Amino acid sequence: DAGVIQSPRHEVTEMGQEVTLRCKPISGHDYLFWYRQTMMRGLELLIYFNNNVPIDDSGMPEDRFSAKMPNASFSTLKIQPSEPRDSAVYFCASNLGGGYGYTFGSGTRLTVV
Amino acid sequence: GIQVEQSPPDLILQEGANSTLRCNFSDSVNNLQWFHQNPWGQLINLFYIPSGTKQNGRLSATTVATERYSLLYISSSQTTDSGVYFCAVVRWSNYQLIWGAGTKLIIKP
Repeated sequence: DAGVIQSPRHEVTEMGQEVTLRCKPISGHDYLFWYRQTMMRGLELLIYFNNNVPIDDSGMPEDRFSAKMPNASFSTLKIQPSEPRDSAVYFCASNLGGGYGYTFGSGTRLTVV
Repeated sequence: GIQVEQSPPDLILQEGANSTLRCNFSDSVNNLQWFHQNPWGQLINLFYIPSGTKQNGRLSATTVATERYSLLYISSSQTTDSGVYFCAVVRWSNYQLIWGAGTKLIIKP
């Protein structure tokens, strides 16, 4: 298996633009998680899905952030409009059961200028 | 809530040395994982180890759940072992990983 695949690896965008991050989980994994990592706050859970259904989005910082999982093999995290404080590394992770054996993607390094 | 503490915060070693990283957690957990974040930012799952001992090559981990700690052993360190090692436990209410602050390991050639 190719693991969790994220794209793009790097994204530089101007403030106010829409940004879409993509994730393909490991086939057969029922849970998908979006995390954000910054120097100040470390790794934060933004949202997670179980069987394509959003279960907990309490970590989504504000309404500018949205996430979808239209099918078992694809998820997106969208920021609209983007702001400089959104600059961070965004990780997608998946696993078979909610608390077991997380596999992380390579991350997307987002820079908003 | 659950607190996760790692020590030491920083560790600098020469290539070939052995090291022990520690993770203490404040409450009973059913799930503990060790991750390595390499200098390129990739997060690699090293061990899922709620209790007992596991080994994978030069790395091994032991969790003593009753005493609420876990240890990660790295033997014969290589420069590629450099990076940050994180310990994380799961909050079962929302499957959120509760992360320690990490141990930054630098292996000098």
